[in-house]
Amino acid sequence: ETGVTQTPRHLVMGMTNKKSLKCEQHLGHNAMYWYKQSAKKPLELMFVYNFKEQTENNSVPSRFSPECPNSSHLFLHLHTLQPEDSALYLCASSQGGSSGANVLTFGAGSRLTVL
Amino acid sequence: GQSLEQPSEVTAVEGAIVQINCTYQTSGFYGLSWYQQHDGGAPTFLSYNALDGLEETGRFSSFLSRSDSYGYLLLQELQMKDSASYFCAVGVTDKLIFGTGTRLQVFP
Repeated sequence: ETGVTQTPRHLVMGMTNKKSLKCEQHLGHNAMYWYKQSAKKPLELMFVYNFKEQTENNSVPSRFSPECPNSSHLFLHLHTLQPEDSALYLCASSQGGSSGANVLTFGAGSRLTVL
Repeated sequence: GQSLEQPSEVTAVEGAIVQINCTYQTSGFYGLSWYQQHDGGAPTFLSYNALDGLEETGRFSSFLSRSDSYGYLLLQELQMKDSASYFCAVGVTDKLIFGTGTRLQVFP
């Protein structure tokens, strides 16, 4: 495995379900990120983890709960989502820091549909 | 807060040169980056300008003017495979904030 791997690639869930998105990076990077990409909107930064410590929570609703057990793995736990949460969720990693954060390696994304 | 502006769409023909502009308003600026995203794909890194001036990587060049809060991506010798969305992004402390993206369509 190389790069940044995200699973599942596609997920359909009801509003009462609980599911998790997983991200794994094999690049030896120190920082990991969750972005949300909706149609006709810019990529929205959700969470930032540096050395597995959360350094950014961009006013994300509590129905999204991140977890970073180590520098290589990042999860996004989902519960009681709304249809407007349907989007492509992208995980990324970088060397971290102020300059390293400019060069992100993205995973292929998890396409989430909330019914 | 931060804001970045790009044209929503640009069209060009194969072999041509196209320039995609990006203006930004931000505090704590650490550099301007460019990413390419094909339909259904993930964004991929193209270039990064930490200092004013031109950075060249093959057919792609990127320019930054900090005093004007402005940058651009220049794509030369356009190919059909360059049809994609292009995003500028500003580095702010330890994170990257993206613009709305420019959809480039290359015609034969």
